[in-house]
Amino acid sequence: DIVLTQSPATLSVTPGESVSLSCRASQGISTSIHWYQQKSNESPRLLIKYASQSISGIPSRFSGSGSGTDFTLSINRVESEDFSVYYCQQSYSLPLTFGSGTKLEIK
Amino acid sequence: EIQLQESGPGLVKPSQSLSLTCSVTGYTITSGYDWSWIRKFPGNKMEWMGYISYSGSTNYNPSLKSRISITRDTSKNQFFLQLNSVTTEDTATYYCARQQLYLRWFAYWGQGTLVTVSS
Repeated sequence: DIVLTQSPATLSVTPGESVSLSCRASQGISTSIHWYQQKSNESPRLLIKYASQSISGIPSRFSGSGSGTDFTLSINRVESEDFSVYYCQQSYSLPLTFGSGTKLEIK
Repeated sequence: EIQLQESGPGLVKPSQSLSLTCSVTGYTITSGYDWSWIRKFPGNKMEWMGYISYSGSTNYNPSLKSRISITRDTSKNQFFLQLNSVTTEDTATYYCARQQLYLRWFAYWGQGTLVTVSS
């Protein structure tokens, strides 16, 4: 199975700061990584597909980059509604796997 | 717009079977896509469990292969999860989701249902 390692586990920031969340794969997966946001008591929401492709309805402050084994989700100027948990997911091979998540919290 | 809704018992005893239903509205499950079950454990770990495709074929996570079955009722536009011989480690929030065919991301999710395994 492909293991996805997300870092940091928790990121404490002030609204208005820009942040980068990391996802590292245990083997090369091209750009087969997708990012989700999950707020408390809600289901996950797809933010970015295939490493950098935008999703309709998602604010433009969310962007993704990377290929191979290292991927980044960037949030430009974090807003209060962005404080939640972020997951990466790989679709390169079955079984599909998720990272352990990064919790973005208010400093 | 497509909506998915999980339903089923919130409490299951150890060694018994866990059975959940995902009811889909706004899209016919035989028209396309794969239809997955995903669970989130306490502590945030997420696990893809498996899917049933629009054609009826299935694919399961090998970690569950001996215990899991995903089926469907096309007349009701529902698909189902059965997980046998559950233990306390199967306590999780269970989600159904629509999986993009071949590309395998999840754009639509149910709201999730918490299943606790306890005697």
